Amino acid sequence: AQSVAQPEDQVNVAEGNPLTVKCTYSVSGNPYLFWYVQYPNRGLQFLLKYITGDNLVKGSYGFEAEFNKSQTSFHLKKPSALVSDSALYFCAVRANNNDMRFGAGTRLTVKP
Amino acid sequence: GAGVSQSPSNKVTEKGKDVELRCDPISGHTALYWYRQSLGQGLEFLIYFQGNSAPDKSGLPSDRFSAERTGGSVSTLTIQRTQQEDSAVYLCASSAAGTPGPYEQYFGPGTRLTVT
Repeated sequence: AQSVAQPEDQVNVAEGNPLTVKCTYSVSGNPYLFWYVQYPNRGLQFLLKYITGDNLVKGSYGFEAEFNKSQTSFHLKKPSALVSDSALYFCAVRANNNDMRFGAGTRLTVKP
Repeated sequence: GAGVSQSPSNKVTEKGKDVELRCDPISGHTALYWYRQSLGQGLEFLIYFQGNSAPDKSGLPSDRFSAERTGGSVSTLTIQRTQQEDSAVYLCASSAAGTPGPYEQYFGPGTRLTVT
């Protein structure tokens, strides 16, 4: 079965600095990888996904993620963080069976 | 168009009572998922429906939990003899399926269940 690990419970960055939220995965077969964001008192929102092709995926709100097959990673990045990016971020993986598994989440705090 | 809706938004129940949580997926989405999220925590997979296939129930924590999906659309998650540890936000998500896929999930606002 597929699984996802988000090694950091909490990430703190200063506004304007680059941010990275880490994700590693384990799956049999081709991985389909997703990032979701959950703002306070809001539902989960889709940010971006990797299916195939270019390893660098661009998504909503200026976020991007890089698929690295050799390291089985799919880290979320943004060149310049905003205070409004503060939220809970979830990485997810789907294998060929269409079943989805989420990581435990990483709380991002961007300080002014 | 309309997104995923869930009802009720909040439910307070006494320990030992049964509860039913409802999910209306996006029209045309054949895949439907239930998750549980404890306060500030990650998503715990509960059950997955895909079309007419047998559901993946591997995430249900006990036999007190069950779910059904009628007519390939609306789903109901039932918790029997609720316990305090069942208190959480229950999230429903739906997605399209098939090729080219895979498709992202769209989440409902959740039902906050409090067992007293």
